Amino acid sequence: NAGVTQTPKFRVLKTGQSMTLLCAQDMNHEYMYWYRQDPGMGLRLIHYSVGEGTTAKGEVPDGYNVSRLKKQNFLLGLESAAPSQTSVYFCASSYSMPGGNTDTQYFGPGTRLTVL
Amino acid sequence: KNQVEQSPQSLIILEGKNCTLQCNYTVSPFSNLRWYKQDTGRGPVSLTIMTFSENTKSNGRYTATLDADTKQSSLHITASQLSDSASYICVVSVDFNKFYFGSGTKLNVKP
Repeated sequence: NAGVTQTPKFRVLKTGQSMTLLCAQDMNHEYMYWYRQDPGMGLRLIHYSVGEGTTAKGEVPDGYNVSRLKKQNFLLGLESAAPSQTSVYFCASSYSMPGGNTDTQYFGPGTRLTVL
Repeated sequence: KNQVEQSPQSLIILEGKNCTLQCNYTVSPFSNLRWYKQDTGRGPVSLTIMTFSENTKSNGRYTATLDADTKQSSLHITASQLSDSASYICVVSVDFNKFYFGSGTKLNVKP
């Protein structure tokens, strides 16, 4: 049982390049999330998914796209990377409803992205 | 404006000592409040989840308290250990998909 895994762990991009971050979970969770964490700031929700084939915007969705083609995977894409997207990206999953009283989110180890 | 503010920003204590971290929030309506521990270079790990009706919840040496009237929560760590060195994050949920994360308190436990 690996929990939540993320690939890659580190990546350096040039402005304008594209990339996809992969999140996988083996806990059969319905809900999955992508966050970014910047120094001195709390985690901010980028996009989330409430089930296979669904996605929704979070607090800071601009410049990112997501897909949830399989229940266990949640992909985060950057079509044209910008220096402002330099951050640490965390994926998380949960069994119950987001914000629900029994909801515990399980986080992956993070991807450190630098955009030059 | 919905906000979650944590204090102090950083804290250094000696191994074996107790400490208390604070979380004040203005978000409304309140759904639940969670405390996470985040080790350096790792993702956050849930410590406690508290609903509106709960005042105290413990998880080993960690005890969280909640005062919904004053919109304050605290995380008390008893008999600190070196492994407690981490950032502690307070998260307040408003409804279905709204979470407000505090920026965290960085705790350093020294031998």
